[in-house]
Amino acid sequence: ETGVTQSPTHLIKTRGQQVTLRCSSQSGHNTVSWYQQALGQGPQFIFQYYREEENGRGNFPPRFSGLQFPNYSSELNVNALELDDSALYLCASSLQAPPGSDTQYFGPGTRLTVL
Amino acid sequence: DQQVKQNSPSLSVQEGRISILNCDYTNSMFDYFLWYKKYPAEGPTFLISISSIKDKNEDGRFTVFLNKSAKHLSLHIVPSQPGDSAVYFCAASADSGGSNYKLTFGKGTLLTVNP
Repeated sequence: ETGVTQSPTHLIKTRGQQVTLRCSSQSGHNTVSWYQQALGQGPQFIFQYYREEENGRGNFPPRFSGLQFPNYSSELNVNALELDDSALYLCASSLQAPPGSDTQYFGPGTRLTVL
Repeated sequence: DQQVKQNSPSLSVQEGRISILNCDYTNSMFDYFLWYKKYPAEGPTFLISISSIKDKNEDGRFTVFLNKSAKHLSLHIVPSQPGDSAVYFCAASADSGGSNYKLTFGKGTLLTVNP
């Protein structure tokens, strides 16, 4: 059983550019969630995908979008980058299950720096 | 509006003693609580969880206590070991009809266990 992997590890972009971050979920997991962790803060929920459809969204603007593929991989796309988008982006996979068993397993993250 | 609060940014304990990390929440809809541990340059690692129907859950050296009336939970680590030194995040989720399991995180507590 493989864990959650993310690529790239680090990324530097300039304001206004677009970025795509990738995540490979744990085998067998049908749900992927993306989080943004700013310096000194806890992770903040961006959105969740379940069976390739968006399943919930946090307080992030539409320029944050995502995709989930049948092979358990997923993408986070951010358009028109702003300086405040600089953060660690984490993806987490889980198996949608009855309440009380919602354990999300995180990847190592992608550190995005916007200049 | 911080729905999950970890009021102690840091905690320092001696090896072999008990570490107690605290977490308060404000949203009464939260029904599932988790603790994650995070080392630098790694993603959060799941540690232990508790459902709102319980008040205690144990796993080896780790015990989580939940006081629903006070909207408070705590993580006890005993005995503490130097390898436990990390940032600990408290997280909570609400089962909104099985369609959204987003996690709401606190800001984290840096635990340092001194040899």
